[in-house]
Amino acid sequence: QSALTQPASVSGSPGQSITISCTGTSADVGGYNYVSWYQQHPGKAPKLMIYDVTNRPSGVSNRFSGSKSGNTASLTISGLQAEDEADYYCNSYASTNTVLFGGGTKLTVL
Amino acid sequence: EVQLLESGGGLVQPGGSLRLSCEASAFTFSSYGINWVRQAPGKGLEWVSIISADITTTYYADSVKGRFTISRDNSKNILYLQMNSLRAEDTAIYYCARRSMGSKKWNTFDLWGQGTLVTVSS
Repeated sequence: QSALTQPASVSGSPGQSITISCTGTSADVGGYNYVSWYQQHPGKAPKLMIYDVTNRPSGVSNRFSGSKSGNTASLTISGLQAEDEADYYCNSYASTNTVLFGGGTKLTVL
Repeated sequence: EVQLLESGGGLVQPGGSLRLSCEASAFTFSSYGINWVRQAPGKGLEWVSIISADITTTYYADSVKGRFTISRDNSKNILYLQMNSLRAEDTAIYYCARRSMGSKKWNTFDLWGQGTLVTVSS
């Protein structure tokens, strides 16, 4: 069970948009529409931002959106704000009745 | 307040055992599947295990299979993780996380505890 692949870091200026990718295989990301995304600020527990690829929980800003193409899922944050600076993790259900997380992406707001 | 609260972490020697607890408040605990997710210091998240709401189904990550056992007491609103044969690589913050009812699958975690630190070292 290998972790999903995310870029180690991304950055953007306030007001810009950024996209974080999450690449797996046909046994996980590509095989199911069950990808979720989490935001984690330093020293805090993760927070659910997107689930089932594109769905946003109540209370999460509509600046956050998700998509998927083939074996790669993506999280897009538009209108970047300073408070968006955090680590972001994707996860996916996998065919072996397990859950795989990505290695995490550190977002820096310049 | 709807919350999960972990306890039971600490320092343990390699080969030792530890039992973590996760107490739920202000929601119907017996209706939700609950997971354990861990995070090694400075590292990413790793899913560990899940137990279904009705206690009939459990799944484990390969890295802990045969060493860790997840269980729950729905009458007390408490989730457990019994960890045996502990290794240095099990050192991590352990979070309990509730499965979202809004998702079609159980990889969506909509409520997390604050975590409890387990350190495996001699």
